[in-house]
Amino acid sequence: GAGVSQSPSNKVTEKGKDVELRCDPISGHTALYWYRQSLGQGLEFLIYFQGNSAPDKSGLPSDRFSAERTGGSVSTLTIQRTQQEDSAVYLCASSLVGSGVNQPQHFGDGTRLSIL
Amino acid sequence: AQSVTQLGSHVSVSEGALVLLRCNYSSSVPPYLFWYVQYPNQGLQLLLKYTSAATLVKGINGFEAEFKKSETSFHLTKPSAHMSDAAEYFCAVSDQGSSNTGKLIFGQGTTLQVKP
Repeated sequence: GAGVSQSPSNKVTEKGKDVELRCDPISGHTALYWYRQSLGQGLEFLIYFQGNSAPDKSGLPSDRFSAERTGGSVSTLTIQRTQQEDSAVYLCASSLVGSGVNQPQHFGDGTRLSIL
Repeated sequence: AQSVTQLGSHVSVSEGALVLLRCNYSSSVPPYLFWYVQYPNQGLQLLLKYTSAATLVKGINGFEAEFKKSETSFHLTKPSAHMSDAAEYFCAVSDQGSSNTGKLIFGQGTTLQVKP
């Protein structure tokens, strides 16, 4: 079956520009997570969506970062006024249920973001 | 707060040799633990998970891990390394804190090199 799909796979942009990263989770998965993977910081949680509940935004590093999930499916992560430290791989994952249940998360291949 | 520590950022073994990747966790509640593997330019793939059903967990590709509460460890092993096992391996614990989102808290990762 189809896995988690992320687009674009690579994005190069100039400092100060806005970028949008897209995640299409596995059909039927109600929980969706965004993570960031960078050389200095490893894998970090960014934001979590579960059904129609308010998202957990506790991992977003600054107010330049935002995300939404429309119709409980596709999610978009937006970074405004990009900075060089935003360069990283952004990974999306989905699972059947979140909230501490032991369901494994399924990851997309990520978007590699490079800020010039 | 929960955390995971992976001992050794790089491990090198010969093909056919035992693979041992170390992971120690810290958790005030019974943890849900996971091992993921990441191949170059790909997302994370689940190898195995511990959910308290059995302390010895078998995963894909011949890997297994043993949960030892007394040692707060969840080390990953494989009896005989194959060249295709060369990748980065991440140990993770599922968040069961006040937010209880199931977000993953990752170790820093261990790069496994397999020599012919």
